[in-house]
Amino acid sequence: GQQVMQIPQYQHVQEGEDFTTYCNSSTTLSNIQWYKQRPGGHPVFLIQLVKSGEVKKQKRLTFQFGEAKKNSSLHITATQTTDVGTYFCAQALSGTYKYIFGTGTRLKVLA
Amino acid sequence: NAGVTQTPKFQVLKTGQSMTLQCAQDMNHNSMYWYRQDPGMGLRLIYYSASEGTTDKGEVPNGYNVSRLNKREFSLRLESAAPSQTSVYFCASSNLSGTGYGQPQHFGDGTRLSIL
Repeated sequence: GQQVMQIPQYQHVQEGEDFTTYCNSSTTLSNIQWYKQRPGGHPVFLIQLVKSGEVKKQKRLTFQFGEAKKNSSLHITATQTTDVGTYFCAQALSGTYKYIFGTGTRLKVLA
Repeated sequence: NAGVTQTPKFQVLKTGQSMTLQCAQDMNHNSMYWYRQDPGMGLRLIYYSASEGTTDKGEVPNGYNVSRLNKREFSLRLESAAPSQTSVYFCASSNLSGTGYGQPQHFGDGTRLSIL
């Protein structure tokens, strides 16, 4: 079946350093969504990308969808302790109500 | 506006017991989902309901049943709980956009279930 892999699985950074997580698929993605889950919390939607090569920014977060629509990335500039959590990518299968989540990247920010 | 409400928040069961996890959404969404999340792992889809009156299996349906009671409510039932079903269970709801792509999912706070 379709799989969406994320790397790295874990990342520890010093506060102020940058962070990037990657989402890779063996097949072409129709779209990609990104979610953040704080420790002990529930996933919260961040953004959705649909177009090839699309780049969207939310303050210190930059989201990118690959030209071939097989990968996506989330980059955080100058991390803060509030960025701690697990970041998931997810694909909503086009024309269906079914979603496939990536394995997630757990970010720890050291003050 | 409560969003997605799950009950209970915590539950401890003995092996073989049964229980039903409740989920309700007030956003008028058509589709609803049940996921499980095991420590350090992502979300795995158990069952989903595209619309009232329909349910479909996800990745890990064995040992579970679901009921889409009405547009608002989607319950998950464990008929005979097993230790392997110890997990955090999340309910979510969403709609399908006009372009055919899923819209963002809204999650409940989760039910932390332990089976001894």
